Amino acid sequence: ELKVEQNPLFLSMQEGKNYTIYCNYSTTSDRLYWYRQDPGKSLESLFVLLSNGAVKQEGRLMASLDTKARLSTLHITAAVHDLSATYFCAGAWIQGAQKLVFGQGTRLTINP
Amino acid sequence: EPEVTQTPSHQVTQMGQEVILRCVPISNHLYFYWYRQILGQKVEFLVSFYNNEISEKSEIFDDQFSVERPDGSNFTLKIRSTKLEDSAMYFCASSAPGRFPETQYFGPGTRLLVL
Repeated sequence: ELKVEQNPLFLSMQEGKNYTIYCNYSTTSDRLYWYRQDPGKSLESLFVLLSNGAVKQEGRLMASLDTKARLSTLHITAAVHDLSATYFCAGAWIQGAQKLVFGQGTRLTINP
Repeated sequence: EPEVTQTPSHQVTQMGQEVILRCVPISNHLYFYWYRQILGQKVEFLVSFYNNEISEKSEIFDDQFSVERPDGSNFTLKIRSTKLEDSAMYFCASSAPGRFPETQYFGPGTRLLVL
């Protein structure tokens, strides 16, 4: 059974700083997703990582995947207040292709 | 841009009552899902649906839950006899056809409160 663990669960940081959210998963995951959720809102897809060494970037966010270490990271560069949200990683594997298994989420607060 | 829609946005019900949550997935998508999120917790998978049948379900999805695609556009989740612990945000999602479904697109959610 796939399990997904994120850390940290809470992160408060200053604008302009860099930080990384970590996502570990317990068994082989065929793909890894990152979603953003604003308070009371739905989940917005950020990245889908399909293979070992995959790196994707969108603005100040960059996600990477290391399947050997069973680790994905979401790196925030020069944070701005608009990035404040909860970030979830989720794994999926081909035997259970129909479901996403989510981590606990990381609540990110960026202070001006 | 196409999006998943859900109705109602909020539902308040009494314990023991039946509720039906409705979703309209993105039109060319063939895989449909329900997830729930209890306040402040992570998102949990309930059920997936493909080719007019359940393809996978979680332990949460017991006999009190059912899903249906009554026509070509709607996808519903029914809870027959609600419990207090069913209070949560329920998200519908859909994904495009493919050997291994791609990104799941989530609807805005229905906040269910059971009193």
